[in-house]
Amino acid sequence: TQLLEQSPQFLSIQEGENLTVYCNSSSVFSSLQWYRQEPGEGPVLLVTVVTGGEVKKLKRLTFQFGDARKDSSLHITAAQPGDTGLYLCAGIYSGGGADGLTFGKGTHLIIQP
Amino acid sequence: NAGVTQTPKFQVLKTGQSMTLQCAQDMNHNSMYWYRQDPGMGLRLIYYSASEGTTDKGEVPNGYNVSRLNKREFSLRLESAAPSQTSVYFCATIWGASYNSPLHFGNGTRLTVT
Repeated sequence: TQLLEQSPQFLSIQEGENLTVYCNSSSVFSSLQWYRQEPGEGPVLLVTVVTGGEVKKLKRLTFQFGDARKDSSLHITAAQPGDTGLYLCAGIYSGGGADGLTFGKGTHLIIQP
Repeated sequence: NAGVTQTPKFQVLKTGQSMTLQCAQDMNHNSMYWYRQDPGMGLRLIYYSASEGTTDKGEVPNGYNVSRLNKREFSLRLESAAPSQTSVYFCATIWGASYNSPLHFGNGTRLTVT
């Protein structure tokens, strides 16, 4: 079983601060996805990164894929209470098949007003 | 357009009871998945179906069975529920076998086994 390590597990910050969440593995990903999950709902895709070194921006969220395709980060600028949620990274490993993504354990993010 | 619909939303079972969790999708996706989500454990794959008529075990299949009834429906059955199966269960679908496409999740079934 491939492992995806996410850090931090919990993060509580004030509105307006910046933060970074990390997703790391010792194996190479074919692609990596970031999901956001709100209480009582299923995860919803934020972004997919495919190319080593790729950077994607989604408003105040910046996603980066490591050059070696073994790690990824999510940076939020000027966090807002609406960013509160569980952030999950999920990776497809090189050679992976139809048995789906491997998920990290998630980062619980709380943005306090 | 409902996407992925799971029923029931909540369920309480006693140890040894059986139940079936239902999942239906209206997106014409080929692949369907059952995950369980536990605190500190993330999402773990129970079973999946890459296409109608096929099912395969995931990471944690023990104590569960599945049926891919048709392209739309994928059910998860607990034959003899145990407290260790207390969890939130998510059904998800994906178009084809490309994971550059997103997984589409239902809103989950919250199961408590006492």
